[in-house]
Parts: sequence; structure tokens; C-alpha cells
Amino acid sequence: RKEVEQDPGPFNVPEGATVAFNCTYSNSASQSFFWYRQDCRKEPKLLMSVYSSGNEDGRFTAQLNRASQYISLLIRDSKLSDSATYLCVVDSLRGAQKLVFGQGTRLTINP
Amino acid sequence: NAGVTQTPKFQVLKTGQSMTLQCAQDMNHNSMYWYRQDPGMGLRLIYYSASEGTTDKGEVPNGYNVSRLNKREFSLRLESAAPSQTSVYFCASTGFGTDTQYFGPGTRLTVL
Repeated sequence: RKEVEQDPGPFNVPEGATVAFNCTYSNSASQSFFWYRQDCRKEPKLLMSVYSSGNEDGRFTAQLNRASQYISLLIRDSKLSDSATYLCVVDSLRGAQKLVFGQGTRLTINP
Repeated sequence: NAGVTQTPKFQVLKTGQSMTLQCAQDMNHNSMYWYRQDPGMGLRLIYYSASEGTTDKGEVPNGYNVSRLNKREFSLRLESAAPSQTSVYFCASTGFGTDTQYFGPGTRLTVL
């Protein structure tokens, strides 16, 4: 089983729609969770951290479910500029190795 | 403040050639990482360096060597390139007390 698993998509949704992704992780002791965004042919960039209480940043909401070992990302009122690949990231608990990345979920927002 | 920089941006090698990918960060970060990214595989860790003077293997270290030259610079060397090493290579760094990694723009390497 992969440490971090995501549905690779692609997800194609119309502009203005709400879209949600889930990601599951295998290590119940993991403490740090993130969503990164990666545009085509660019480097990954931190979108938001995911806290136990959940957190919101504008149109983006991240949730953590420790019991079921998954994290989610909700995007409301989607914009064309939200088209990207979204990477689920979890701490690896292997010392300084730090993070394990999911393979990403590809999202395309259509006009 | 340039963040994480990588050179070169693109490179084409023939099988058996060697090359070094350079990475530097100006954020005074302790830890640095080298990843490769292949379609459908996500980011896989090649090597990392927790601090100046230390390096450790990641998930896919075979065929690569690294040098942490100083706190700023972390280089990745391919001694004898193989077509299986065709990939996009990203360098990243993170500061003390945080898990957030900052990435360089990547090097697109093709081995013929």
C-alpha cells in the first residue's frame, strides 16, 4: 500500500462549481499534512497546511479525519486559474526525510 | 531573495555521460532534498541532507551521488547516465522547526 494515495483524476469541472478531493495516508502516527499545488511544468508550491481542526483560506477548505486517515481539499466557486495538479503531502516520520508526496490529482476548470 | 535556484533548466545527455545538477538556497535552511518526478509516479526522494556535512539516501538513490558543499548548496551527480534517469529533477529546502518544503524550478533531463 502506498503511504499516500490520491485519485489521479483528471477532474473536469465548470467554472463556478465546487470540487473536492480526498487523499488517504497509511501511517496513523503522521502529524503534519499539507496540500501543494503544481502548475504544468512548474515546481510544487505550498497551497495550505491541514490542521486537526480544519482550516479555510478564502475559497479553499482543508479537513483532516484522523479516524479514517484521510485529508480533503474543497474548492468553492472554482476559477479557471485553479486548473492545476493538487498534491497531498504527509510527514514521513523517517527523521529528516520529512515528507511523502502523493502522485497528485489533476484538475481542469472549464469556461 | 531568490529562494531555491537550480541549474541547468534543461539538459540532454547520451547514455554513459556524466553531469552534475546544481542547487542553491538563500533562505538559511538546514535541510535540502533532491526529488525526481515521473508521470504517474509523483515525487520520489533521491537523497536528502539534514544539515551541512550530512547526506542520506531516499527512496530511489541508485545511480546518483550528492554533495552538500555548504549550507547553501546541494548538488546531485549522475556518474553514468541511463535512459531510465530521464525525468524532471527538483531540489527543495526546509528550515529548522518546520516541515514546509520550498522547491526550485526544476531541471528537465533527457538521456538518449
